[in-house]
Amino acid sequence: GAGVSQSPSNKVTEKGKDVELRCDPISGHTALYWYRQSLGQGLEFLIYFQGNSAPDKSGLPSDRFSAERTGGSVSTLTIQRTQQEDSAVYLCASSANRLDTQYFGPGTRLTVL
Amino acid sequence: QKEVEQNSGPLSVPEGAIASLNCTYSDRGSQSFFWYRQYSGKSPELIMSIYSNGDKEDGRFTAQLNKASQYVSLLIRDSQPSDSATYLCAFYAGNNRKLIWGLGTSLAVNP
Repeated sequence: GAGVSQSPSNKVTEKGKDVELRCDPISGHTALYWYRQSLGQGLEFLIYFQGNSAPDKSGLPSDRFSAERTGGSVSTLTIQRTQQEDSAVYLCASSANRLDTQYFGPGTRLTVL
Repeated sequence: QKEVEQNSGPLSVPEGAIASLNCTYSDRGSQSFFWYRQYSGKSPELIMSIYSNGDKEDGRFTAQLNKASQYVSLLIRDSQPSDSATYLCAFYAGNNRKLIWGLGTSLAVNP
């Protein structure tokens, strides 16, 4: 079946602009996760969704970051007023249930000039 | 104490050898453990999950879990150059809310 998909695959933006990153999880997966990975660094947890609610937003770096999930499926991560330090690969993962194996999408590489 | 620790490497082994990757964790309440492989420029992909003490084998890969000693390891037999990647261990924390990730061990298999 189809895996996790993310769009766009690459995004180049200017400092101060807003960006939206999209994640389409595996069909039927109730849990969805966003991570960030800077070059040569480990995975940084951002936010977790169970259905449409976000029980854990503890990893969002600042109030410029927000995310939503609608219909228990697609999720959008929005970064407002982007800064150069936001440049990273943003990864989305989904799992069938809360404690199950997470499957990753290909990521969105964000570059803020 | 860090929640999870992995030797960053690089670990270098010759082709055909056994590569041994280790991960220690601090949360005794952890139940589910995972090994992922990440090629440069790619996203992590699952190698194996393990939930019970002991060994779990899948092809050339064997995961070993020792909850008493709080470590999980991954053995790769007959290592191939295509196994060269960063290997990440991860586990669900005792509060069962999110996956805790190690920083990864870089493995290089030399032809």
